[in-house]
Amino acid sequence: AQTVTQSQPEMSVQEAETVTLSCTYDTSESDYYLFWYKQPPSRQMILVIRQEAYKQQNATENRFSVNFQKAAKSFSLKISDSQLGDAAMYFCAYRSAWGGGADGLTFGKGTHLIIQP
Amino acid sequence: NAGVTQTPKFRILKIGQSMTLQCTQDMNHNYMYWYRQDPGMGLKLIYYSVGAGITDKGEVPNGYNVSRSTTEDFPLRLELAAPSQTSVYFCASVKGLYTEAFFGQGTRLTVV
Repeated sequence: AQTVTQSQPEMSVQEAETVTLSCTYDTSESDYYLFWYKQPPSRQMILVIRQEAYKQQNATENRFSVNFQKAAKSFSLKISDSQLGDAAMYFCAYRSAWGGGADGLTFGKGTHLIIQP
Repeated sequence: NAGVTQTPKFRILKIGQSMTLQCTQDMNHNYMYWYRQDPGMGLKLIYYSVGAGITDKGEVPNGYNVSRSTTEDFPLRLELAAPSQTSVYFCASVKGLYTEAFFGQGTRLTVV
């Protein structure tokens, strides 16, 4: 079974600064998908960014980018120019490409991101 | 387009009571899931379905049951509520492997 580890329970950053959230995963599979989800106090799960394992190029979405290191099984999220609205829980998640991916996402425990004004 | 709708948003149950958490999606997604989120933890998969009439257990299925009679609906049944089932429950649906999972707004369930 796959596991996802987020080693930072909480991170704090000044507004407008850059912060990196860490995620490592364990899998024996070669084909899979990785995601970062944001969960604000409203509880809504919001997709931030996604990465296909077979793509070497790191995904980028506006101020959000990832550093995907397949050999190291690492998938960190970088948030540039942090804004107050970025304050939330951030979850790293893994989905297998085998079995149709029917067995859903495997989540890390999350990182609570605090933005200091 | 409503997406994934879960009801209720909040519920308090007494030990031994039963209830059904409702989930419906209007995006014609085949894949649907139920997760639970405990404090300080990520989401854990309870049950999933790959289409109408097909369901299977996830990581933490004990104490729950599901059914999938239509593509749209995927209710989660708690038969004999226990304090260990106090959690936030999320329903989600997915169109395909790489596509975004759409989540409902969650149900906060407390068993007392």
